[in-house]
Amino acid sequence: DGGITQSPKYLFRKEGQNVTLSCEQNLNHDAMYWYRQDPGQGLRLIYYSQIVNDFQKGDIAEGYSVSREKKESFPLTVTSAQKNPTAFYLCASSMASGRVNEQFFGPGTRLTVL
Amino acid sequence: GEDVEQSLFLSVREGDSSVINCTYTDSSSTYLYWYKQEPGAGLQLLTYIFSNMDMKQDQRLTVLLNKKDKHLSLRIADTQTGDSAIYFCAVAGTGRRALTFGSGTRLQVQP
Repeated sequence: DGGITQSPKYLFRKEGQNVTLSCEQNLNHDAMYWYRQDPGQGLRLIYYSQIVNDFQKGDIAEGYSVSREKKESFPLTVTSAQKNPTAFYLCASSMASGRVNEQFFGPGTRLTVL
Repeated sequence: GEDVEQSLFLSVREGDSSVINCTYTDSSSTYLYWYKQEPGAGLQLLTYIFSNMDMKQDQRLTVLLNKKDKHLSLRIADTQTGDSAIYFCAVAGTGRRALTFGSGTRLQVQP
């Protein structure tokens, strides 16, 4: 079955630690995205990548880093510089071109900083 | 940048129609989307509309677009308890393929 997987589903981190969230897709999509969701605020774009080895900052990139070494994978690292990292993180992917940018979402990772 | 606004909450009775509204600021948006999110899950694309259309119907879903007022709505006919979820409006930002999402409208369906 084609789709997007995110792991883990729940993640707990101590203050001051970096943590990496996994996102893998087997849809053969070129573009991948990371969003952060906070209650009542909708989704905000952290980083996105249109192609392997290239990525751009979104609206709230500070305190986060990404890599795109493989087409299938777009891991997100939440660094200790992120002031308020507790949130629900969603990964998505889409075709890089084409008129309709239908994004397919993973099930999300809920990160809690203790 | 693009701004997308939605009301936060809507409550309807089972069998009634639901109308969820959205306003946006970027008049150059070409595609506008409605996504559904069930509790603790990712988002699922429900439907989308191209900016040169006024209306799109897909089974129980009707999307209306008023481009002059930059207003988008999603009507769900014969709303069921399984429709209870958060509904997000999204538009493509100018110059990038990443989407800008509204804050989401929580739809509660009373039996």
